[in-house]
Amino acid sequence: ETGVTQTPRHLVMGMTNKKSLKCEQHLGHNAMYWYKQSAKKPLELMFVYSLEERVENNSVPSRFSPECPNSSHLFLHLHTLQPEDSALYLCASSRPGRLAGGPNTGELFFGEGSRLTVL
Amino acid sequence: AQKITQTQPGMFVQEKEAVTLDCTYDTSDPSYGLFWYKQPSSGEMIFLIYQGSYDQQNATEGRYSLNFQKARKSANLVISASQLGDSAMYFCAMRGSNTGNQFYFGTGTSLTVIP
Repeated sequence: ETGVTQTPRHLVMGMTNKKSLKCEQHLGHNAMYWYKQSAKKPLELMFVYSLEERVENNSVPSRFSPECPNSSHLFLHLHTLQPEDSALYLCASSRPGRLAGGPNTGELFFGEGSRLTVL
Repeated sequence: AQKITQTQPGMFVQEKEAVTLDCTYDTSDPSYGLFWYKQPSSGEMIFLIYQGSYDQQNATEGRYSLNFQKARKSANLVISASQLGDSAMYFCAMRGSNTGNQFYFGTGTSLTVIP
């Protein structure tokens, strides 16, 4: 059982639809992420939310908009997507690692992903 | 800039044999952490092993070990006694002291274990 839960697991939408992906973590982590995974490409960081910072990848189109109402929940709102946006969207969370003086390794904990198909 | 390079798009290994998956990195951060993840066909990313840049010893976790060569900027994953369930994509990643919560991933290596 994963500590990071994503819904829905699969989503098919038309280019004019509006939908949202949801991510929830109950691990007490202080940072949450959205990654996009397309075939034969590196994982692409889309957004990071933490107490210290919000990071946006400037190459992410405005048709993707994140929302992080609290440290346990993260949404990715989708509107007027294009077929090339079809991909696996992975949510992850992390806590401070040893680099920040913490005792843990600070690895990313991933959800199972939301497979998005845009028709 | 941070960069992770995995030069092996696909690898094959005989069951019960050992295999090494290559990873090289580039960073200007004074300290950093290196991570390996496994992604089975189901899609979930599973954390395998961590190596800190100032760790004195190479990391080991069960059948996984990390061959860390700091001067060469390489962090290769060694899987011993391969099992059929090891067939998956494997990703190397890095988190730097100056880049906060950002992780950088390589393109991955697809490992197939042959019975």
